[in-house]
Amino acid sequence: DTGVSQDPRHKITKRGQNVTFRCDPISEHNRLYWYRQTLGQGPEFLTYFQNEAQLEKSRLLSDRFSAERPKGSFSTLEIQRTEQGDSAMYLCASSLRTGGVNEKLFFGSGTQLSVL
Amino acid sequence: DQQVKQNSPSLSVQEGRISILNCDYTNSMFDYFLWYKKYPAEGPTFLISISSIKDKNEDGRFTVFLNKSAKHLSLHIVPSQPGDSAVYFCAANSWGKFQFGAGTQVVVTP
Repeated sequence: DTGVSQDPRHKITKRGQNVTFRCDPISEHNRLYWYRQTLGQGPEFLTYFQNEAQLEKSRLLSDRFSAERPKGSFSTLEIQRTEQGDSAMYLCASSLRTGGVNEKLFFGSGTQLSVL
Repeated sequence: DQQVKQNSPSLSVQEGRISILNCDYTNSMFDYFLWYKKYPAEGPTFLISISSIKDKNEDGRFTVFLNKSAKHLSLHIVPSQPGDSAVYFCAANSWGKFQFGAGTQVVVTP
């Protein structure tokens, strides 16, 4: 399978706990994005990387959220001290940015987080 | 600041008929537009796209139309099939930053 892979698919945690999600992008893709989606809404941008550099982070993103992409390959998204409002589907996507405008995102299946 | 809007949360269409999904945007800097399809418990999958220099793009049963002056795009699916029942998201890209609409739930009935 050469698509975007996310792990775990589901995570149930108690409020206040830390959680970490992993994303493995399509191997030749240089950009990696994290989005969050709640019911009835479209994917909401969280952050993105070009290779290993984190280029932008949503200003709506709390300091409890941190993402890394060491060596420009897989990425992790950590949420510290989880709150019930963090419950959502966390989507990872990757793309190949070549300088043209026709960049397409390819999404993984997502990690469904439930904070009790 | 919702720059991409899908004002119809749901659409019901008979099998074999045309489905028309609409999307409006406010940012004139968007230069690339995409439609994604999403089934429950799965990530969105790419469907079709259009560059801002074009006004139409076709791929099989799917056609996307772009009206830049109205800042409006639409997705036509014809003929609609039961497997088309899903949530459809409109997305717009400017300098590598993608923004998504809230989605339209399409239900194709027999």
